[in-house]
Amino acid sequence: QSVLTQPPSVSGAPGQRVTISCTGSSSNLGASYDVHWYQQLPGAAPKLLIYANTNRPSGVPDRFSGSKSGTSASLAIIGLQAEDEADYYCQSYDRDLSSSVFGGGTKVTVL
Amino acid sequence: QVQLVQSGAEVRNPGASVKISCKTSGYTLTNYYMHWVRQTPGQRLEWMGIMNPNADSTSSSQKFQGRLAMTWDVSTSTVYMELSSLTSDDTAVYFCARGMWNQRFSAFDSWGQGTPVAVSS
Repeated sequence: QSVLTQPPSVSGAPGQRVTISCTGSSSNLGASYDVHWYQQLPGAAPKLLIYANTNRPSGVPDRFSGSKSGTSASLAIIGLQAEDEADYYCQSYDRDLSSSVFGGGTKVTVL
Repeated sequence: QVQLVQSGAEVRNPGASVKISCKTSGYTLTNYYMHWVRQTPGQRLEWMGIMNPNADSTSSSQKFQGRLAMTWDVSTSTVYMELSSLTSDDTAVYFCARGMWNQRFSAFDSWGQGTPVAVSS
């Protein structure tokens, strides 16, 4: 069982908005540690999508956005595209475990 | 550009060890922390440990303490991860991942392509 909780799957039609939640606790997101998001295409390594809650690395489309409040965070994909079909993971740090921790991953399906 | 290129797939018997390499390029090895992350067959990501090549220090997740060794060779810009006393639960894809900033709670901005390890008798 993962320390951070994500829904196993979300889906949407092209052009729609989908959101992925990431729920933690007082020892990670609630302790003010940042959340980061990764996109993993089939057979590939994870790719950094959002860092420090809301920031996009160079080259990441602006249809991806992140937010964080308290013990929860969200990744939004606005204007879903076929190439967004992938697995998405959230990551943070847990002070009790002294370890980086990940969510269980969310599979995004484009209908 | 930053590149991390890992060694190829491995098969091991239970009780054996495995050593994976991660050759870096496009940046100075000692300027960034390096992390190791594995992905289980169920697709779950697990953080394993962190190394600071500049300070000659490493730290492992409690789960792997005592059987995880992380080393590096500055002359070849290569880092290594060795996991010992393997069981079938160690069957996974192993990734090296560069820390975006030099803190334990960093994001990982570059990843190796992954090294599959299968543990089976």
